[in-house]
Amino acid sequence: RKEVEQDPGPFNVPEGATVAFNCTYSNSASQSFFWYRQDCRKEPKLLMSVYSSGNEDGRFTAQLNRASQYISLLIRDSKLSDSATYLCVVNKGSGGSYIPTFGRGTSLIVHP
Amino acid sequence: EPEVTQTPSHQVTQMGQEVILRCVPISNHLYFYWYRQILGQKVEFLVSFYNNEISEKSEIFDDQFSVERPDGSNFTLKIRSTKLEDSAMYFCASRPNSYNSPLHFGNGTRLTVT
Repeated sequence: RKEVEQDPGPFNVPEGATVAFNCTYSNSASQSFFWYRQDCRKEPKLLMSVYSSGNEDGRFTAQLNRASQYISLLIRDSKLSDSATYLCVVNKGSGGSYIPTFGRGTSLIVHP
Repeated sequence: EPEVTQTPSHQVTQMGQEVILRCVPISNHLYFYWYRQILGQKVEFLVSFYNNEISEKSEIFDDQFSVERPDGSNFTLKIRSTKLEDSAMYFCASRPNSYNSPLHFGNGTRLTVT
């Protein structure tokens, strides 16, 4: 089983739609979780950290389910500018062993 | 907002040549990383660096690769005897010494080996 797995998509949705992505991870000792956004041929940019109790940032909501070892990202009221690849990132170490591991990403295309 | 800077943005080299990719991490960050992303593939960890030494490295990071922080600001990745399959985006990242802090990435260097 891959360390971090994501459905590559693409998810093709109209503006205003709600879309959700899931990500599963294999290591139950994982400690921190993030969603990054990556535009074509650009660097990953932090979208949000994912906390155990779930957290929201505007139109974006992240959830963590440790028992089932998955995290999710919900995007409400999709905008054209949300079109990008969304990367799930999981880290299991700390200090010098803090090694964030990336999923392959889920592609989102928002169309008019 | 402080940012990680990488140079050059694009490097073209011939197979067998050596390249040095440069990064200036955010000034108060203590942990530094190199990742690479082959076109169409996922972002892969290469190496992490803390307190002037390598903390962790992946199996990709073999003897062909080396890192150093020569002057307290620059963080470099050297690739010796480049191969065609080294063509990729190379991202530098850094993070502060705080629990579970996320990585901050530079804009990347696109390496093309011909």
